[in-house]
Formats: sequence, structure tokens, C-alpha cells
Amino acid sequence: EAGVAQSPRYKIIEKRQSVAFWCNPISGHATLYWYQQILGQGPKLLIQFQNNGVVDDSQLPKDRFSAERLKGVDSTLKIQPAKLEDSAVYLCASSNRQGSSYEQYFGPGTRLTVT
Amino acid sequence: GENVEQHPSTLSVQEGDSAVIKCTYSDSASNYFPWYKQELGKRPQLIIDIRSNVGEKKDQRIAVTLNKTAKHFSLHITETQPEDSAVYFCAASYNNNDMRFGAGTRLTVKP
Repeated sequence: EAGVAQSPRYKIIEKRQSVAFWCNPISGHATLYWYQQILGQGPKLLIQFQNNGVVDDSQLPKDRFSAERLKGVDSTLKIQPAKLEDSAVYLCASSNRQGSSYEQYFGPGTRLTVT
Repeated sequence: GENVEQHPSTLSVQEGDSAVIKCTYSDSASNYFPWYKQELGKRPQLIIDIRSNVGEKKDQRIAVTLNKTAKHFSLHITETQPEDSAVYFCAASYNNNDMRFGAGTRLTVKP
């Protein structure tokens, strides 16, 4: 099966600019996650969708970050305006509970550099 | 929310030795504990996971133990090989929701 797809792979922007990331999960996976991974740290969950509904967004900085999954398939994450501290890899993951499997499959990530 | 702490932050072992990484969690409701391996510049990949109704799980050279009373779980890698060198992350969640990751352990296996 095809894996989780993300684009772009790399993005360099100046602070105060806007940026958007796209994720296409594994076909049939109902749950989609966006994580922020700052260099040297573990992934931090930003938002979790179940189909097109938000399950958790408690760690999403809502004053500048937004995400949507309108048709319950692919998703976009937007940052507006970006700050220097937003420099990180943004990982998308998907999962679909089957039997006892909870595995989250990660995409390759988008490396964002804010200058 | 859940808070996961992971130790040590770096670990260096000789090839063939065992490696142990430990994590603690704060939310007693958490019931799912995966371990991910992340090689440099690559995505995290699940290597083993455990549910709260199980105390230990093993898959070849990798094992995970869970102590629900003490709220800690550990990853054990036996007969380490150079290709085991990577960053390992523990995580905790309730039914795979609101997953919280530890800060990671950089494991180096010296040939």
C-alpha cells in the first residue's frame, strides 16, 4: 500500500510570512495526526482528526496555526504568520484501528525553516 | 494532559550488549504505549507497542515491559547491532488519542 504523502518536503520562509503543508494519508485511514518535531525533541501533537472531525487540538497554537480535513481524506496545516520558533519538521501520520493494531504511519515530513 | 519522561537522553553500548531505555508517564488512564525508532533524517517507525492489559511483550531482540502501578515502561534491546543506532521515542496515549512522546534517546552501538 502507498504510504503517507506530504508536500512540500522543504520550505524556507521569512518570519511573518504564511505557509501551508499538505498531507494525504494512507487510503482508508480514518485518523490523521499533525505533529511538530523541533530538532532534538520528540514529536509534539498539534491536532488529531477522526474522519473530518477534530478529536484533539489542545496543543495547537490557534492564534497562528490552523488545520482542516474537509472531506475526511487529505489535510492541510497552515501557519500565519510564522515565527522563528516555528522552524521544525512537520510530520503527518495516519492510522486505522484494525483488530489490535493502533500503529501510526508517518509521512516523510516537511522541514520548515523560518528566517 | 499526559506527560512522558524518557531516560537516558543518550546511550552508548558495545555491539552485542543490551540496551535499556526507560519512560514514565503521568496519566493513569493511558493504556497504549508504543516505541518508535527514528534514523537520522527519516520518519519515526513503530518497532513495538504494548497495551495496559499486558505486562510484557517480546519481538525477537526487542522487548517492552509495563508497570501500570508505577506508571513506567521500558524498552529492552538485546544483542545490539550497529544498525540499531538511532533515536528511540516512547509514547503514551489513551486508545491512540492525544499521543504524547518522550524527548528521545540517542542510542549508539559501537562495532
